[in-house]
Amino acid sequence: AQSVTQLDSHVSVSEGTPVLLRCNYSSSYSPSLFWYVQHPNKGLQLLLKYTSAATLVKGINGFEAEFKKSETSFHLTKPSAHMSDAAEYFCVVSDGYGGATNKLIFGTGTLLAVQP
Amino acid sequence: NAGVMQNPRHLVRRRGQEARLRCSPMKGHSHVYWYRQLPEEGLKFMVYLQKENIIDESGMPKERFSAEFPKEGPSILRIQQVVRGDSAAYFCASANGTGGHTDTQYFGPGTRLTVL
Repeated sequence: AQSVTQLDSHVSVSEGTPVLLRCNYSSSYSPSLFWYVQHPNKGLQLLLKYTSAATLVKGINGFEAEFKKSETSFHLTKPSAHMSDAAEYFCVVSDGYGGATNKLIFGTGTLLAVQP
Repeated sequence: NAGVMQNPRHLVRRRGQEARLRCSPMKGHSHVYWYRQLPEEGLKFMVYLQKENIIDESGMPKERFSAEFPKEGPSILRIQQVVRGDSAAYFCASANGTGGHTDTQYFGPGTRLTVL
């Protein structure tokens, strides 16, 4: 079965400093992985997705993530945090390989705080 | 192209009442997923539907919950005889179904259900 583990429930950074949000996955086959962001009381917005093409994936708002099979990781990074990046971030794996249901399996989320 | 629409955005019900949550997928999308987010938790898959068919309801509670996606009109998630534990945010996502396990799901803003 597929699963993701987000290693930090809370991360706090200063504005202008790098962001690193960690995610490890477990999958019996080559997974499809996603990062979604949720701002307070809002829906989820897709930041980026990995689908077995390039291992370094660039997303919106300056975020990127690198798929590392040897480490089973898919960490999210951004070179310089902005105040508007404060939100909750979810690492997600698709459970759909070879099956009819592409249901998403969510990590428990990482709450990112950005200090001025 | 309008995104995924959900209504109502907020719904308050007393214990024992019924709750009906609506989801209109993005134009051209025929696949609908419902997820539930309990307080302080990530999203959990509930049900996956295509037009007039329930494909996977493995995440639905066995009683009181039902879902449909008729040929015409929005998808409906129905909760009968609500209890306080049903209080949560319910998110709908849609996809066009052409990408297999790489398909991107686009989320609506959610319906926040409060049971008094």
